[in-house]
Amino acid sequence: EAGVTQFPSHSVIEKGQTVTLRCDPISGHDNLYWYRRVMGKEIKFLLHFVKESKQDESGMPNNRFLAERTGGTYSTLKVQPAELEDSGVYFCASSQVAGWGASSYEQYFGPGTRLTVT
Amino acid sequence: AQSVTQLGSHVSVSEGALVLLRCNYSSSVPPYLFWYVQYPNQGLQLLLKYTSAATLVKGINGFEAEFKKSETSFHLTKPSAHMSDAAEYFCAVKAAGNKLTFGGGTRVLVKP
Repeated sequence: EAGVTQFPSHSVIEKGQTVTLRCDPISGHDNLYWYRRVMGKEIKFLLHFVKESKQDESGMPNNRFLAERTGGTYSTLKVQPAELEDSGVYFCASSQVAGWGASSYEQYFGPGTRLTVT
Repeated sequence: AQSVTQLGSHVSVSEGALVLLRCNYSSSVPPYLFWYVQYPNQGLQLLLKYTSAATLVKGINGFEAEFKKSETSFHLTKPSAHMSDAAEYFCAVKAAGNKLTFGGGTRVLVKP
């Protein structure tokens, strides 16, 4: 089966511009997560979708970030306007329906989108 | 709240030598613990996970980790390093909720 895919793999934009990152989860995975790794720091959670609903968006840094998951399939993460500190690698992950049972807790990660804001 | 500390951002080992990557966590509830690996230009791949069954967990590529509650540790080991083990390794904890909390990562360099 296809894994989690992310597009683009790299994006270089200027400060003040807008960028939209896309994530396609594994087919049938209701749970979709966004994480970010800023240079030299740890990977940090941004938000969690269950189908099309935001379950937890406690990690979103500010209102310049907007995540959507229309129809409960792919998700987009828009940064508008981008700032220098938004540079980093944005990871998407997906998992099966959350619940009791070990397999539901395994998150499968995509290759990430490297965002550079200049 | 939960947190993860990985001791050492870089580790250098000789081919054939023991690989030991340290991970300590804090969690207010019984945790699920994970080790992920990221090879160059690839995404995160799950190496192994602890989900309250056996405390010694075996993963892919010859790696294993032991959960020690008394030490709040989940160290990753491999008896004999291979050149292909050069990568960055991440320890993560999942307690309440579904989000993963990661350590800072340890980059492993394997010397021939």
